[in-house]
Amino acid sequence: DSGVTQTPKHLITATGQRVTLRCSPRSGDLSVYWYQQSLDQGLQFLIQYYNGEERAKGNILERFSAQQFPDLHSELNLSSLELGDSALYFCASSVAHQGGTDTQYFGPGTRLTVL
Amino acid sequence: GQQVMQIPQYQHVQEGEDFTTYCNSSTTLSNIQWYKQRPGGHPVFLIQLVKSGEVKKQKRLTFQFGEAKKNSSLHITATQTTDVGTYFCAGSGTGANNLFFGTGTRLTVIP
Repeated sequence: DSGVTQTPKHLITATGQRVTLRCSPRSGDLSVYWYQQSLDQGLQFLIQYYNGEERAKGNILERFSAQQFPDLHSELNLSSLELGDSALYFCASSVAHQGGTDTQYFGPGTRLTVL
Repeated sequence: GQQVMQIPQYQHVQEGEDFTTYCNSSTTLSNIQWYKQRPGGHPVFLIQLVKSGEVKKQKRLTFQFGEAKKNSSLHITATQTTDVGTYFCAGSGTGANNLFFGTGTRLTVIP
């Protein structure tokens, strides 16, 4: 158990819909990262927040957005969903803001299925 | 943009055989990290290498960082069924603030 929690575990929805994925970092961690893992694909970095502020952005679509709240939990919002958005979405956290060098602790993931 | 490639994509070995996965970056990395993801699980941090030519060992696992800091390898000696999973390398460029994950090598160990 990494100490990072994600809800829900599974999510099934239809094309065109909007969903929100939630992540709570490990106690004491200030950074939250979001990744997308499609079937048989590697991990695609989406976005990082540090202490409430956006810190780094990866290949995140305009239909996706995220935020980190004062209690440090984070939400990833996916809208106008398409079939290709079906994937595992992982949240990770780290102590500091240096996403390139910090050890990242991953949550169990949310499996999104878009029908 | 930065790319991190891993080979092979898949590897099947008999239990007791050795296994190696290679990671290559198109640019110089400031550090390389290795993660393991068990089937149905999430990535778990294994190790970080920072120095050029660095070699680190964890029991049967040996990690190397190339002299030019553009490649890395993970070698497992005498594989066991518990080694099954996908091994990812992840690196970042100097000053970069996020990790680029490799494509991963999925290891299957045949008992």
